Amino acid sequence: GESVGLHLPTLSVQEGDNSIINCAYSNSASDYFIWYKQESGKGPQFIIDIRSNMDKRQGQRVTVLLNKTVKHLSLQIAATQPGDSAVYFCAENGGGFKTIFGAGTRLFVKA
Amino acid sequence: KAGVTQTPRYLIKTRGQQVTLSCSPISGHRSVSWYQQTPGQGLQFLFEYFSETQRNKGNFPGRFSGRQFSNSRSEMNVSTLELGDSALYLCASSLVLAGSNEQFFGPGTRLTVL
Repeated sequence: GESVGLHLPTLSVQEGDNSIINCAYSNSASDYFIWYKQESGKGPQFIIDIRSNMDKRQGQRVTVLLNKTVKHLSLQIAATQPGDSAVYFCAENGGGFKTIFGAGTRLFVKA
Repeated sequence: KAGVTQTPRYLIKTRGQQVTLSCSPISGHRSVSWYQQTPGQGLQFLFEYFSETQRNKGNFPGRFSGRQFSNSRSEMNVSTLELGDSALYLCASSLVLAGSNEQFFGPGTRLTVL
């Protein structure tokens, strides 16, 4: 069935450390993947995306890695800051104008 | 440029009632998607509209419906409300460009069904 899941529901990191949030997806036909950040009381906010013809994409302090062989997606946040504390969702789009979201991982940044 | 706006922000209804939620997309965005967010089920896709046409629909009962107007504003309606419909309803708009499907989310409407 359609599902995008996350390995860990919560992640706690020390300020300044790097964070890695993982995601598994089940639809091998998905060709577009997105990471969103959701802060309390707000809607999800786009962080970075990647297409299936890429393995890695970098943004400002964030990197997304895609491993199509094992259907795995990860988000790496460098030098994690308190403002990074939020829930992070991976999402996949396999066409059909429909985005499937994962369950979410809550990131806690300890000062 | 103004972001996605949703009204109302909070709503309390009782079982059996119906509710209509409104979403105004970012100017120029013609695609509007709706999602239901609950602690137990996470973010679940409801439907997507483009140029007043529903292009895709999630696995929700027929009590959930929507529409889009010629100015791209969208509404969703839930009839015969159930306690389980209590959730944050999120609207997202996108420009729909080749190679990108970045969605911009509104703050959501918090619906509580008593």
